Amino acid sequence: DIQMTQSPSSLSASVGDRVTITCRASQTISSYLNWYQQKPGEAPKILIYAASSLQSGVPSRFTGSGSGTDFTLAISSLQPEDFATYYCQQSYSTPYNFGPGTKLEIK
Amino acid sequence: EVQLVQSGAEVKKPGESLKISCKTSGYTFINYWIGWVRQMPGKGLEWMGIIHGGDSDTRYSPSFQGQVTISADKSINTAYLQWSSLKASDTAMYYCAKWLPGGYYFDYWGQGTLVTVSS
Repeated sequence: DIQMTQSPSSLSASVGDRVTITCRASQTISSYLNWYQQKPGEAPKILIYAASSLQSGVPSRFTGSGSGTDFTLAISSLQPEDFATYYCQQSYSTPYNFGPGTKLEIK
Repeated sequence: EVQLVQSGAEVKKPGESLKISCKTSGYTFINYWIGWVRQMPGKGLEWMGIIHGGDSDTRYSPSFQGQVTISADKSINTAYLQWSSLKASDTAMYYCAKWLPGGYYFDYWGQGTLVTVSS
């Protein structure tokens, strides 16, 4: 199985800040990497797929990059609605495991 | 409009059986995979398995193989997750989600089913 790690596990930031979250796969996954956002009490929502493709309707302040084993989600100019937990997921081979999540909190 | 509507919250005792459902609409069920994701209280997302709506080909995570059964009924566009003998550690929110082939991600999610197992 491919294991996913994320860093940091939690992050405090202010509205208007730029933040980055890192995801690492235990083996190469090409660009088969997705990012989801989950708010309390809600189902997850897809933000980025194929490492860098923005899902329709997702604000352009979200960007994804990386390939192979190392990936990054960047959020420029944080908005109040961005404070949530973010998960990466590999879709290279089953089981399509998720990372442990990064909780983004308001400073 | 694509919709995945899950069955309601359940409270069960250890050892009991349970089958929860995910009724889909707004797309051609037999052309897509449906996955199940567990989220234990206060914890992260865990990929449990995935089933193809057309031929019921199923892939399980090794962590869940033998612990749950995933099935589908294409005549009513519905996927299921079932347990034969629940444990307290099965207490969690369970989500179904539609897998987008080609894109290789979950594009639509159900609202979740909370399963509580307690004596």
